[in-house]
Amino acid sequence: RKEVEQDPGPFNVPEGATVAFNCTYSNSASQSFFWYRQDCRKEPKLLMSVYSSGNEDGRFTAQLNRASQYISLLIRDSKLSDSATYLCVVKILSNQFYFGTGTSLTVIP
Amino acid sequence: GAVVSQHPSWVICKSGTSVKIECRSLDFQATTMFWYRQFPKQSLMLMATSNEGSKATYEQGVEKDKFLINHASLTLSTLTVTSAHPEDSSFYICSAMYSNQPQHFGDGTRLSIL
Repeated sequence: RKEVEQDPGPFNVPEGATVAFNCTYSNSASQSFFWYRQDCRKEPKLLMSVYSSGNEDGRFTAQLNRASQYISLLIRDSKLSDSATYLCVVKILSNQFYFGTGTSLTVIP
Repeated sequence: GAVVSQHPSWVICKSGTSVKIECRSLDFQATTMFWYRQFPKQSLMLMATSNEGSKATYEQGVEKDKFLINHASLTLSTLTVTSAHPEDSSFYICSAMYSNQPQHFGDGTRLSIL
């Protein structure tokens, strides 16, 4: 079983829509959680860390459910510029990270 | 925010050449640096984890004699692809991390071996 699993998509949504991605992890000892975005042929960039109480950054909301071992990312009022691949990353030890395969999002005009 | 610089961004060279890629953390001291490769439409694949002053830890299936990693200081790690062949063509990305902070990625090196 993979350490981190994501639905690869693709998700094709109209501009202004709300879209949510989930990511499940298998190791209950996972310490920290992150969402990165990766544009085509570019490096991943940190979008946000995910905190136990959930956190919001503008149109983006991240949540963590330790009991069910999943994290989610909600994007409200989608923009064309949100089109990218979203990577779920889980940190298990101090320098041991696991990446999901990424979820592809295309926002359509 | 944290900045990680990777150089060169694009390399095209002949088969048999050795290629060196540098990864620098510009505004912080990286306790750990990671090297990844990524094939088109695939996820990042961790190659090795490198701590300053110690030998890199390679992932299973990654040849340490083929992919030489040097982490001489807290701000610089290098990856040398020795005697590169066309199958080594890929997107190589480094990342750097300080303490318990998230990883920050360099902008990647696109390697094409002819």
